[in-house]
Amino acid sequence: DAKTTQPPSMDCAEGRAANLPCNHSTISGNEYVYWYRQIHSQGPQYIIHGLKNNETNEMASLIITEDRKSSTLILPHATLRDTAVYYCIVRVRYNFNKFYFGSGTKLNVKP
Amino acid sequence: ETGVTQSPTHLIKTRGQQVTLRCSSQSGHNTVSWYQQALGQGPQFIFQYYREEENGRGNFPPRFSGLQFPNYSSELNVNALELDDSALYLCASSLGGQLTMNTEAFFGQGTRLTVV
Repeated sequence: DAKTTQPPSMDCAEGRAANLPCNHSTISGNEYVYWYRQIHSQGPQYIIHGLKNNETNEMASLIITEDRKSSTLILPHATLRDTAVYYCIVRVRYNFNKFYFGSGTKLNVKP
Repeated sequence: ETGVTQSPTHLIKTRGQQVTLRCSSQSGHNTVSWYQQALGQGPQFIFQYYREEENGRGNFPPRFSGLQFPNYSSELNVNALELDDSALYLCASSLGGQLTMNTEAFFGQGTRLTVV
C-alpha cells in the first residue's frame, strides 16, 4: 500500500471549512483513498473514501486531484466536536481491513 | 456506535504475564483485524482473520497470536508481556470476500493495556 504524507497539525475556526491535505504520490491505479478520524483515543471512525472522482457524504467531501497524487478532505462547517486526529490512508479496496496508518493530522477547531 | 465491542476496556498486567483481549464484530461481518496503538502514534496493523483463518500479519512477533470463532468474534493473545506492549489495542470488523463487495471497516473503542 502506498504511503501518505499529512501535516502534523492544523487549526480551524469553528463554523469555517476545514481543509485537510494529503499527499500520496506513489498511489497505484487500484488503490483508494480513505479517511478516518480518531477522537481522543477512541476507535477510528470512518469518514469517506474515493478512487478518482470527488465524493461527498453527510460528514465530509473528498477532493482527489486528476493525477491522484494528492487529495483534500473538507469538513464544510467545522464544530468543536470535529477536533480529532485525521488519517489519510491509501489501500486496495478489497484488502480487507489492512490499513496502514501514518501519524495523521491533529485538527484543532477553536471557538 | 459501530456495533464492534471490545472487552475489557482497561487492563493492567505484570511483565511476563499473558493477556487475552476480546472483540465482538458487527453483525454479519466475517473479517476481524487487530491493531496496536502506542501513545501518540497511529494504529499499527497486527493481523487479521477471515472466516476463522489468519490471512495477513504485520511486523509483530509470534507471541502475538489470535483466534476467530465460528460466530466471527475474535481474541488477541499476547504472551510474555513486555513494558512496550502497553498500548491501546483496537479491533476492526468488516464484511469481506473475493466475490462480495467489502464494507468499510468499523473499529471498536479499544482495550487500554498497561504493563507494569
